[in-house]
Amino acid sequence: EDQVTQSPEALRLQEGESSSLNCSYTVSGLRGLFWYRQDPGKGPEFLFTLYSAGEEKEKERLKATLTKKESFLHITAPKPEDSATYLCAVQAGAAGNKLTFGGGTRVLVKP
Amino acid sequence: GAGVSQSPRYKVAKRGQDVALRCDPISGHVSLFWYQQALGQGPEFLTYFQNEAQLDKSGLPSDRFFAERPEGSVSTLKIQRTQQEDSAVYLCASSPSSGNTIYFGEGSWLTVV
Repeated sequence: EDQVTQSPEALRLQEGESSSLNCSYTVSGLRGLFWYRQDPGKGPEFLFTLYSAGEEKEKERLKATLTKKESFLHITAPKPEDSATYLCAVQAGAAGNKLTFGGGTRVLVKP
Repeated sequence: GAGVSQSPRYKVAKRGQDVALRCDPISGHVSLFWYQQALGQGPEFLTYFQNEAQLDKSGLPSDRFFAERPEGSVSTLKIQRTQQEDSAVYLCASSPSSGNTIYFGEGSWLTVV
């Protein structure tokens, strides 16, 4: 069974204080690893897809990296508007097209 | 609209009532998914359609849950005889085809009292 574990569960940062979120996964045949951002009361908003170990993608202050066992979401010099829950999900070969999500990391950036 | 549209956004149901939740996917998207998200948790897969065919319903928690997509576009998730544990946000998502980015709607918040 595909498993995704995110850590930490919650993260409080001062504005400008860089940090990293971890997503560990156990799957049979990774087809893609997805990062989403979710604001309170909203649906998940797509950020990145990573397909193979060593791949990196960037968007503004966010950078996602992938290894064979985990992915990191690095937040560089965060601003209060980066406060959200960040969700990691995997799409695995045996499971068809569905995404299996982790529990998310709630990030709060204080000014 | 350009995104996945869900209705109603909020629904309060008395225990035992039947509810129907609607999803309008992005135009032309072949794949459609339903997820359930409990408060403070990540979304949990319920079911998946490719066009009108329901290819995976392994996540539906009981036979009280039923989903359909008869014409390969709009989908409805129906919950019969609602129970308190059904209270959650129900998210619909769509993608152009297999392997593409999956886009989510804002969700339908169901509270069973």
